[in-house]
Amino acid sequence: KNQVEQSPQSLIILEGKNCTLQCNYTVSPFSNLRWYKQDTGRGPVSLTIMTFSENTKSNGRYTATLDADTKQSSLHITASQLSDSASYICVVCWGSNYQLIWGAGTKLIIKP
Amino acid sequence: KAGVTQTPRYLIKTRGQQVTLSCSPISGHRSVSWYQQTPGQGLQFLFEYFSETQRNKGNFPGRFSGRQFSNSRSEMNVSTLELGDSALYLCASSFGKFQGRTDTQYFGPGTRLTVL
Repeated sequence: KNQVEQSPQSLIILEGKNCTLQCNYTVSPFSNLRWYKQDTGRGPVSLTIMTFSENTKSNGRYTATLDADTKQSSLHITASQLSDSASYICVVCWGSNYQLIWGAGTKLIIKP
Repeated sequence: KAGVTQTPRYLIKTRGQQVTLSCSPISGHRSVSWYQQTPGQGLQFLFEYFSETQRNKGNFPGRFSGRQFSNSRSEMNVSTLELGDSALYLCASSFGKFQGRTDTQYFGPGTRLTVL
């Protein structure tokens, strides 16, 4: 069964600290993997899109990694800010119709 | 460049009624997809349209339907509303034929539907 699992479910860190969110998937055939940020009550915003051949991709303080062999991805946030408080969602694209499977997300809370 | 717009933003209906939600994509985008998000749940895919044709469909009952017009605007309809249909309904647009391929999806603010 095609699945996307994220961990941890929630995370609380202090402002200025770094953190890493995890995503494991079991889809085939794989096309690409995305990370989104969703503020409460708003639509998700795309952070990165990585294809099979890309290992690392950065967007400001956000760095995503992809290991297509182990089917794992991580999102690293550097020097967290209060505005980073949000849900971070891992999404995997698969199949000939490029269907998207959405993870349940990691709720990140940054405390001052 | 204007973003994705969704109307209405908030809606209250009663069980058994039907509802129509509207989505206007970013200018030039021809692909629109719809998602349902309930509290504590991940986004659940409803359907995806490109050039007025449904390209992908999620696992929702037939009460959920959609369509896309020639100007790329899209509507989704839910008939015979149930309490469990209360959710945030999100619309996303992108340029290419399949939103999942490589295109960035741009989401609207959503329509918050409450069924009493």
